[in-house]
Amino acid sequence: DQQVKQNSPSLSVQEGRISILNCDYTNSMFDYFLWYKKYPAEGPTFLISISSIKDKNEDGRFTVFLNKSAKHLSLHIVPSQPGDSAVYFCAASARYNAGNMLTFGGGTRLMVKP
Amino acid sequence: DGGITQSPKYLFRKEGQNVTLSCEQNLNHDAMYWYRQDPGQGLRLIYYSQIVNDFQKGDIAEGYSVSREKKESFPLTVTSAQKNPTAFYLCASTDRVLNTEAFFGQGTRLTVV
Repeated sequence: DQQVKQNSPSLSVQEGRISILNCDYTNSMFDYFLWYKKYPAEGPTFLISISSIKDKNEDGRFTVFLNKSAKHLSLHIVPSQPGDSAVYFCAASARYNAGNMLTFGGGTRLMVKP
Repeated sequence: DGGITQSPKYLFRKEGQNVTLSCEQNLNHDAMYWYRQDPGQGLRLIYYSQIVNDFQKGDIAEGYSVSREKKESFPLTVTSAQKNPTAFYLCASTDRVLNTEAFFGQGTRLTVV
């Protein structure tokens, strides 16, 4: 039973346009959400996070939106650049119930075309 | 520079052999984790440790073992009981008190030959 789902395995976007990556979760105890970026044969690197007390967090070209009622979050990248091409993982944790143990989604491969 | 180091980067194992993957961190993090990634799939939790001398099974612990004798180190042993060990293994650590994001090592690709 997947608690964190990324329903789109891949996404292709033109350079300069917006990339929107989606993530759904089922566990209402999750209170902290993160996005990681991963290149092949490397470890994931942290991108951006959001606490459940917020509905939006922005960092440069990256914005994460959280809709708690829908148990849905999304990552917006604008403008998209070819260097953004990677696999993006959504992750969630119930920090005050289970420490920082992260549950990951299956990932979305983003391809940004020049 | 603080970070988390996995070694080796590539590892080949014959069927029936045990093999140990190393994970060391100098971030002073209490919690450490092992994940497995298979092609086209997400990260699945094998084992985690919130504190020295204590560890818990994750979602796919069968065929694996760990130890946490030191705060800095969390080695993973892939035993011969693991039916399909070929995968990319990732170690991570977090600071439980500060609730920061997890930091990952560069991974170890294990191939059974």
